[in-house]
Amino acid sequence: AAGVIQSPRHLIKEKRETATLKCYPIPRHDTVYWYQQGPGQDPQFLISFYEKMQSDKGSIPDRFSAQQFSDYHSELNMSSLELGDSALYFCASSSPRGTQYFGPGTRLTVT
Amino acid sequence: QKEVEQNSGPLSVPEGAIASLNCTYSDRVSQSFFWYRQYSGKSPELIMSIYSNGDKEDGRFTAQLNKASQYVSLLIRDSQPSDSATYLCAVDLSGGSNYKLTFGKGTLLTVNP
Repeated sequence: AAGVIQSPRHLIKEKRETATLKCYPIPRHDTVYWYQQGPGQDPQFLISFYEKMQSDKGSIPDRFSAQQFSDYHSELNMSSLELGDSALYFCASSSPRGTQYFGPGTRLTVT
Repeated sequence: QKEVEQNSGPLSVPEGAIASLNCTYSDRVSQSFFWYRQYSGKSPELIMSIYSNGDKEDGRFTAQLNKASQYVSLLIRDSQPSDSATYLCAVDLSGGSNYKLTFGKGTLLTVNP
C-alpha cells in the first residue's frame, strides 16, 4: 500500500539558512499534519491542513510557515534556522478526521 | 502537568511474557485514542486505535479504554524481541473535531530473548 512520502530524508543546513520540507500524502487523503520530534522527545504538533486550508496550529515558530497545494501535497518552510531546530520532522496524512499515518520523516541538522 | 502521561520505563519483559503499557490523559472530552510504536530514528507506526470504553483486540495486541478514569492501556501478549521499541500513547484532546494528536513521552519496552 502507498505510504506518505517525505523529501528530503536528510538535510543539513547552517544557522540562519532556509529549509523547505515536502510531504506527499497517501492517495485520497486530504488532511496533512506536521510534527517535530527533538532528540529523546515525543512528537510535537506543528500545524495541519484540510482541503488546502489551515485546520489547526500548534507550537509552530513564527519563522516557520506551511501550505497545502491543490494536489494535497504540503510544504513546510523554515527560515532563519537555529541550532534548536535540529530534529526529525514528520508529516502524517489522513482522510477527514481519520487515523493519522506517518511518513518516514526528514532529519534536519542545523550546524 | 503534561496532558498525556505515560510511564517512561524502561519496561523490560522476558520473551513470551505479557507487556502492559499505561497512559492517562487530562481532558474528559477526548474521544480518540491511539497507540503508536516507534523504533529508534524511525517514524511512529500505528498499532491500535480505540474510541469506545472496553477492550479492543488485534492479534497479540489489546487496547483497553476507560473514559471515566481517563485511562488507556495496551497489552502485548507473547512478547517478541521485535516488539522492543518505544510505545507512544496519542490522544485527540480536541474532542474529535480536528484530530490534533497530543503524544505522551513514550514507554521504552525491551523484550529479552
